[in-house]
Amino acid sequence: ETGVTQSPTHLIKTRGQQVTLRCSSQSGHNTVSWYQQALGQGPQFIFQYYREEENGRGNFPPRFSGLQFPNYSSELNVNALELDDSALYLCASSLGGATSGSFRGNEQFFGPGTRLTVL
Amino acid sequence: AQSVTQLDSQVPVFEEAPVELRCNYSSSVSVYLFWYVQYPNQGLQLLLKYLSGSTLVESINGFEAEFNKSQTSFHLRKPSVHISDTAEYFCAVSPPSIRASKIIFGSGTRLSIRP
Repeated sequence: ETGVTQSPTHLIKTRGQQVTLRCSSQSGHNTVSWYQQALGQGPQFIFQYYREEENGRGNFPPRFSGLQFPNYSSELNVNALELDDSALYLCASSLGGATSGSFRGNEQFFGPGTRLTVL
Repeated sequence: AQSVTQLDSQVPVFEEAPVELRCNYSSSVSVYLFWYVQYPNQGLQLLLKYLSGSTLVESINGFEAEFNKSQTSFHLRKPSVHISDTAEYFCAVSPPSIRASKIIFGSGTRLSIRP
């Protein structure tokens, strides 16, 4: 069983640029959540995708957007990068839906993260 | 809405000493409770979880946490720590949901073990 993978591992961008981060979910999972972890803080929920549709969003501006593909992998796109966007971006996959049982929908498996530095 | 408070940002302890990492939460609905561990330069790993049933839950590496509903706490304990336990520990909550739900994390407690 393959775990959650993310690419790239590290990324350096300049202010105003755009970035795309990628996540491959664990085999059999249909839900992907994205989190931003600033230095010295806990992860903050950005948004979640369930079967290719957005299924909840945290307090992040519209320049943070995402996609989920038919194979349940996902992308996080950030436009007009700002210095404060520098952080570790974590992707987590899980199995959601009525047939999975509610508790399994809450058990999320995290990838190693992508560290984004904005200069 | 839910929130999580980790009362200590850093906890230094000597090797083989006991440790307690404190966590309090706030929620108007019942929640699932988690402790995640983050080793240096790595992602998050689930350490243990409370979903229902026995209020004392244990991990495979000797940690345990007790759910206290009246005090809305979920403190993490280990009777004897090892150097390899050096990491950042995050307490988290999530409301039960048929669909996968977001996890709300505390700000983390950095556990440093001194030889």
